[in-house]
Amino acid sequence: QLVLTQSPSASASLGASVKLTCTLSSGHSSYPIAWHQQQPEKGPRYLMKINSDGSHSKGDGIPDRFSGASSGAERYLTISSLQSEDEADYYCQTWDTGIRVFGGGTKLTVL
Amino acid sequence: QVQLVQSGAEVKKPGASVKVSCKASGYTFASYSMHWVRQAPGQGLEWMGIINPTGTNARYAQKFQGRLIMTRDTSTSTVYMELSSLRSEDTAVYYCAKDAGVPAPGPIDYWGQGTLVTVSS
Repeated sequence: QLVLTQSPSASASLGASVKLTCTLSSGHSSYPIAWHQQQPEKGPRYLMKINSDGSHSKGDGIPDRFSGASSGAERYLTISSLQSEDEADYYCQTWDTGIRVFGGGTKLTVL
Repeated sequence: QVQLVQSGAEVKKPGASVKVSCKASGYTFASYSMHWVRQAPGQGLEWMGIINPTGTNARYAQKFQGRLIMTRDTSTSTVYMELSSLRSEDTAVYYCAKDAGVPAPGPIDYWGQGTLVTVSS
């Protein structure tokens, strides 16, 4: 079964960097994923797609502070030079023919 | 620029049906699949289903089988989501979302603004 696992919460200081992790279920380590950001009281926004080889492509207008990487079954989202507006929920998402799956989300707090 | 504009908030009684629309612009509507995703209060994102570019095939998450219908009208670039037999647990914000994949499946790359559906007696 295709499942994505995320830590429920993360925190980092203003101006620092943070790395969020999304883990694919066993047997699915080759799957690409996408990251989405949801700021408080807003709808989600697509950030980027990350392939299993670590290559990634960003959505429209996504700052260079956001980057992606991959290792085995793990997919990462790194946010550098954290700003207050980066405080949000971050969801990873993957897909197969006819289905889409979301991770449970990580709530990022900027201290 | 791509825009997905959804219909307004709805209040429904248990057992009723709701139909939410999503009008697309800024891209070739007939080339991309569309999704519906919902978010209950304080909860995460839940994928509901996908409709293909021509509207001839829709796939639904197992928990919605039998009470979810997705349709699309190419002449107006609009997709619809109809959920029947509503219960209180269906209270959520419902989002339409565009798939990036052509022709293979891909990520969601654009989201609508969301439509709040409240189910209450």
